Amino acid sequence: DARVTQTPRHKVTEMGQEVTMRCQPILGHNTVFWYRQTMMQGLELLAYFRNRAPLDDSGMPKDRFSAEMPDATLATLKIQPSEPRDSAVYFCASGASRDPTDTQYFGPGTRLTVL
Amino acid sequence: SQQGEEDPQALSIQEGENATMNCSYKTSINNLQWYRQNSGRGLVHLILIRSNEREKHSGRLRVTLDTSKKSSSLLITASRAADTASYFCATVKYSGGGADGLTFGKGTHLIIQP
Repeated sequence: DARVTQTPRHKVTEMGQEVTMRCQPILGHNTVFWYRQTMMQGLELLAYFRNRAPLDDSGMPKDRFSAEMPDATLATLKIQPSEPRDSAVYFCASGASRDPTDTQYFGPGTRLTVL
Repeated sequence: SQQGEEDPQALSIQEGENATMNCSYKTSINNLQWYRQNSGRGLVHLILIRSNEREKHSGRLRVTLDTSKKSSSLLITASRAADTASYFCATVKYSGGGADGLTFGKGTHLIIQP
């Protein structure tokens, strides 16, 4: 049963600390997306990669957020330094650009709390 | 930024009744998708409708798309308690060899009363 995995599932940290979230996309998927969900803003696209190349990161605060794909099986989202307003659930999703349904498969999310 | 609005924001109905949710969007699209999110979980893809289609069916789901009004509706027939969840529409545009990231509406929280 192929699924997207994310670690950690929960993270509580103090303001100013570095946070790294990891995502393992479904094997064979070539597109990876990062989304953030908050009560106020809803679901927002932060960044996405196709074939490990970053295509769009316009949704990310550039000064503190960075997203990378060191290899095809791992995507990372890093916040440094973290701030209380970064508290949210961060979702990773993967998909295959050849999929005619354009379905994105979401991971369970990382719930981040910055104190 | 949010592309569209779902209407209503919350909906409570009795089991067995039909539930209708609406979604409006602002810019041109290649397709529109509906996703479900159970409390505390990730999103699950339900159905896709392309910009040249007007209606799609999948099991108890029926989705319509009116590109002239930039709106879509999702109908769930014969609702069940397990349908309790938040439902989001999401629009898609193509570029760079595939679909861009999804632009979500604010969602409708559906509660099915047993």
